[in-house]
Amino acid sequence: DTGVSQDPRHKITKRGQNVTFRCDPISEHNRLYWYRQTLGQGPEFLTYFQNEAQLEKSRLLSDRFSAERPKGSFSTLEIQRTEQGDSAMYLCASSLVRGLAVDNEQFFGPGTRLTVL
Amino acid sequence: AQSVTQLDSHVSVSEGTPVLLRCNYSSSYSPSLFWYVQHPNKGLQLLLKYTSAATLVKGINGFEAEFKKSETSFHLTKPSAHMSDAAEYFCVVSLQDDSWGKFQFGAGTQVVVTP
Repeated sequence: DTGVSQDPRHKITKRGQNVTFRCDPISEHNRLYWYRQTLGQGPEFLTYFQNEAQLEKSRLLSDRFSAERPKGSFSTLEIQRTEQGDSAMYLCASSLVRGLAVDNEQFFGPGTRLTVL
Repeated sequence: AQSVTQLDSHVSVSEGTPVLLRCNYSSSYSPSLFWYVQHPNKGLQLLLKYTSAATLVKGINGFEAEFKKSETSFHLTKPSAHMSDAAEYFCVVSLQDDSWGKFQFGAGTQVVVTP
């Protein structure tokens, strides 16, 4: 399977614990995005990387959230001191962007569903 | 600023009847627009995209969408609904300001297909 993969698919944690999610993009894709989706809503942008550089972070991404993409390949999203409000589906997507093209399809992974008790 | 508005949060259709999902956009630029579908417990899948070529765009599974600049709309249609079309559908605009290439999603339309 050469699509975007995410691990784990489900995570249940207690409030105050730290969690880390992993995303493996399609291998030749230079862009990697993280989104958060709550029930009944569309995905909301969190952050994105162009190769290994993190280019933008949403205001939704508090100081408890950190994302990395070492070597421009896989990415991790860490949430420290989780809160019940962090419960959501965390989606990863990747795309191949050339120049200033804005019509690039993003390919999405299956998501990691986080439940904070 | 760019945004999309999906006018219906839920649509219920009978199998074999047409489906219409409405999306209006707001953009200062010539927009790139997408429709994605999300089936339960599955990832988002691209149905079709508009990128300033033909205004009538054909996608997978018999879906198509028409870009109408005068109405700032990008409605998704299918002539005959199938049970497998039951899912959530998202209209998406690709941003072209400082965050170019980043997606902004509509709130989604849940489609129910009844036998």
